[in-house]
Amino acid sequence: TQLLKQSPQFLSIQEGENLTVYCNSSSVFSSLQWYRQEPGEGPVLLVTVVTGGEVKKLKRLTFQFGDARKDSSLHITAAQTGDTGLYLCAGFLIGGSYIPTFGRGTSLIVHP
Amino acid sequence: DAGITQSPRHKVTETGTPVTLRCHQTENHRYMYWYRQDPGHGLRLIHYSYGVKDTDKGEVSDGYSVSRSKTEDFLLTLESATSSQTSVYFCAISGTGRSMNTEAFFGQGTRLTVV
Repeated sequence: TQLLKQSPQFLSIQEGENLTVYCNSSSVFSSLQWYRQEPGEGPVLLVTVVTGGEVKKLKRLTFQFGDARKDSSLHITAAQTGDTGLYLCAGFLIGGSYIPTFGRGTSLIVHP
Repeated sequence: DAGITQSPRHKVTETGTPVTLRCHQTENHRYMYWYRQDPGHGLRLIHYSYGVKDTDKGEVSDGYSVSRSKTEDFLLTLESATSSQTSVYFCAISGTGRSMNTEAFFGQGTRLTVV
């Protein structure tokens, strides 16, 4: 059973386009994280969202945590080729678990 | 750079042989994890450790064992490698200080091929 479902699984777009990827669950999380992974490397943390309804911005990236803390989205404005990579969400279940559970990821390719 | 090193980076081994992967950290993080990453499956937790000699199973622990005799080292052992264990293995660390920082820092991965 997949605790965190990410969609879409694959995304291929042109430079300059906008996109949104989603991370959904039926479980409630104390916090959610987004990581980006480039080929041949380990994932690197982009952001942690903690409060329901929270919105965080990181340059052209906007992250939102759902009001009920069951889902999150990542929106990229005017995508660049450097945004290419695998985007992973990770959640921490209510109850104090410090063990992150990862979704399967969204593979993004941005073409010049 | 979070000071986490995996070794070896690449390994080819034969079915039925034992294999040990090493994760070494210089950051004194409390938690250490082993994940495997396969196409279409994302990162799946194999085992984790929450302190020296304190370990627990993840969702895909069958066929794997771990040991943590020092804060800085976390070893993953495949007792008898099988082709289904061909994968990229990532070590990660997290949690330092009294306030639990949940950011996970990952190593560069070990590509293991079992033939």
